[in-house]
Amino acid sequence: AQSVSQHNHHVILSEAASLELGCNYSYGGTVNLFWYVQYPGQHLQLLLKYFSGDPLVKGIKGFEAEFIKSKFSFNLRKPSVQWSDTAEYFCAVIRNTGGFKTIFGAGTRLFVKA
Amino acid sequence: DVKVTQSSRYLVKRTGEKVFLECVQDMDHENMFWYRQDPGLGLRLIYFSYDVKMKEKGDIPEGYSVSREKKERFSLILESASTNQTSMYLCASKETGLNTEAFFGQGTRLTVV
Repeated sequence: AQSVSQHNHHVILSEAASLELGCNYSYGGTVNLFWYVQYPGQHLQLLLKYFSGDPLVKGIKGFEAEFIKSKFSFNLRKPSVQWSDTAEYFCAVIRNTGGFKTIFGAGTRLFVKA
Repeated sequence: DVKVTQSSRYLVKRTGEKVFLECVQDMDHENMFWYRQDPGLGLRLIYFSYDVKMKEKGDIPEGYSVSREKKERFSLILESASTNQTSMYLCASKETGLNTEAFFGQGTRLTVV
């Protein structure tokens, strides 16, 4: 079973719609959380990360994510998507007891209609 | 700018061939990783290395081996390629630390026929 779960494999939105992509993890203890994005034809790159402090973190291109410890969740949000946000999004976890391995979810493919 | 370079973007190999996938990073990162990316499965860790000549199995090491003779280079080896190893292979590197991000190469799409 996936230790990092992404709720939707495919999401289709119209431009200006709001986006929320779900991510849950099943590890206890302290975790470090990441969202990566892969635009068509490009390499994976970091969108944002959380490791301590304010549970609401802001990333590039207007994205933000909220860490809710009690729900083991780290959902990604954007108030108004653009066509250029079409990409695949991956949630990822590094456990404080797991060495430096980054464990990824299955990914969510987002398609934004112009 | 961190650069992780994979030697090939596309490879086609025959069943039973020995295949080498090469990855080089230019940021002096201690840690390097090989993942395979398959639709609906995300990225699955094959092997990783936290130092020269050190390696650790990931979640799906069967059928693969790795080599890290120099800090900047991490090679993935398919000893005898099989069709179920057709996939996108991603190399990544990162600094030591739990909150540091991984930097990825462009990927190698391997087809085994």
